[in-house]
Amino acid sequence: GAVVSQHPSRVICKSGTSVKIECRSLDFQATTMFWYRQFPKKSLMLMATSNEGSKATYEQGVEKDKFLINHASLTLSTLTVTSAHPEDSSFYICSARQREWNEQFFGPGTRLTVL
Amino acid sequence: RKEVEQDPGPFNVPEGATVAFNCTYSNSASQSFFWYRQDCRKEPKLLMSVYSSGNEDGRFTAQLNRASQYISLLIRDSKLSDSATYLCVVNSGTYKYIFGTGTRLKVLA
Repeated sequence: GAVVSQHPSRVICKSGTSVKIECRSLDFQATTMFWYRQFPKKSLMLMATSNEGSKATYEQGVEKDKFLINHASLTLSTLTVTSAHPEDSSFYICSARQREWNEQFFGPGTRLTVL
Repeated sequence: RKEVEQDPGPFNVPEGATVAFNCTYSNSASQSFFWYRQDCRKEPKLLMSVYSSGNEDGRFTAQLNRASQYISLLIRDSKLSDSATYLCVVNSGTYKYIFGTGTRLKVLA
């Protein structure tokens, strides 16, 4: 099956610092990658969609200058949370799909705690 | 009205029971439908895609009713390991996938 990895799995940082999360498709070319955020006992909320080689499309209410997304290759996308605040603490999950697929496959997620 | 709606549950059922979840969607142009399973503090995993004619995978059966705009998931002979949150996902043919809030299932010994 399609495998997506994420790194790091858990990160704790101080307020004001920036955190980069990597999402990789290991056995397929991810033409589209999605970034989600999930708060405890809540559903996944789509933050942005990125297609390889083009700028990400952000959902309403998601600050593109705060959540920087780069999808420079067909196997790697990164999400950088800039100037992190405690309210940014959440579970961040990426997913990826290949152009011909309907399904998307998820990475294991990154649990971010901002102190 | 939410684009995708699910009963949050929890559904508490004994082992061996049959349980069914429904999910309604508001966009009649929706084209692709999926059920994902999410365990606590883990990422969602694809359980099955839902096809127009309905499809079955072992103890799991998925159905699509376009006229009434809902999909369903039936789990037969529930196992303890089926305890999880089941997410309904709908795609309208664009890159955007809409997730329901999930239905929690607890299978009791």
